Amino acid sequence: EVQLVESGGGLVKPGGSLRLSCAASGFTFSYYSMNWVRQAPGKGLEWVSSISSSSSSIYYADSMKGRFTISRDNAKNSLYLQMNSLRAEDTAVYYCARKLSNWNDPFDYWGQGTLVTVSS
Amino acid sequence: QSVLTQPPSVSGAPGQRVTISCTGSSSNIGAGYDVHWYQQLPGTAPKLLIYSNSNRPSGVPDRFSGSKSGTSASLAITGLQAEDEADYYCQSYDSSLSWVFGGGTKLAVL
Repeated sequence: EVQLVESGGGLVKPGGSLRLSCAASGFTFSYYSMNWVRQAPGKGLEWVSSISSSSSSIYYADSMKGRFTISRDNAKNSLYLQMNSLRAEDTAVYYCARKLSNWNDPFDYWGQGTLVTVSS
Repeated sequence: QSVLTQPPSVSGAPGQRVTISCTGSSSNIGAGYDVHWYQQLPGTAPKLLIYSNSNRPSGVPDRFSGSKSGTSASLAITGLQAEDEADYYCQSYDSSLSWVFGGGTKLAVL
C-alpha cells in the first residue's frame, strides 16, 4: 500500500524557518517525481515545488523561489522541504504528492498533510 | 486568482447529473496538456478522481467521467449521491514550468 506521511509542521514566527519531511513507503520511491502542494485555510490547492526522481530537475512556484528548497534522499525514501523567510501567507496545510516523470502525469497519491502556521 | 477557472459551487439533488467546468488557456489545457481531477472530501487529503482527461483510477465509480476540448475540460457526475459532496479540483501542466490547479468547486447534494 502506498503511504506518504508528512511531518515537521507547526507554529513559526514570520521570518522564521521550518523543515518539512515526507516519509514514503509501499512503492519504489526512486522511480517517482515527488512534489509539495499546499492549501491555505479555506482555500484551494497550490503547487509548491517538484523534484525529479534523481534530483536532477527541480522546479518551484514563483512565490516560493529563493525561500523554499526541495530535496530528497532516495536511500531513506524521504522528501523534504526547507522553508525560510516564512510569511503569514505561507500558512497552509502542506501535502506531499507522488507523480510519475512526465509533465502530463497526475499527482496520483497524496499524504495526509502537515499544518504550517506562520504567526507572531 | 487561479490559472484554471472553475465555478465556485454547483449543486444537485440525489440521482441527478451535474457537471463542473474547468477553463484554461493556450499555455496549459489548450497546449495539449492533460487535465486531471481530484476529489477532496471534508477534512481529508485530495484523491485522484480522473486522470488524463477521461480515465478513472481503479476503484472510482463509473458515475464519474471527464472530457476535454480546446482550452476547457469538464467533470460529470451522474446518479448523484450524498457521499459525493466534496470539493473538486482540476489540474494541468502549464508551459511556464509549473503545475496549475483550478480554484476548486464545492458540490452540494441537496
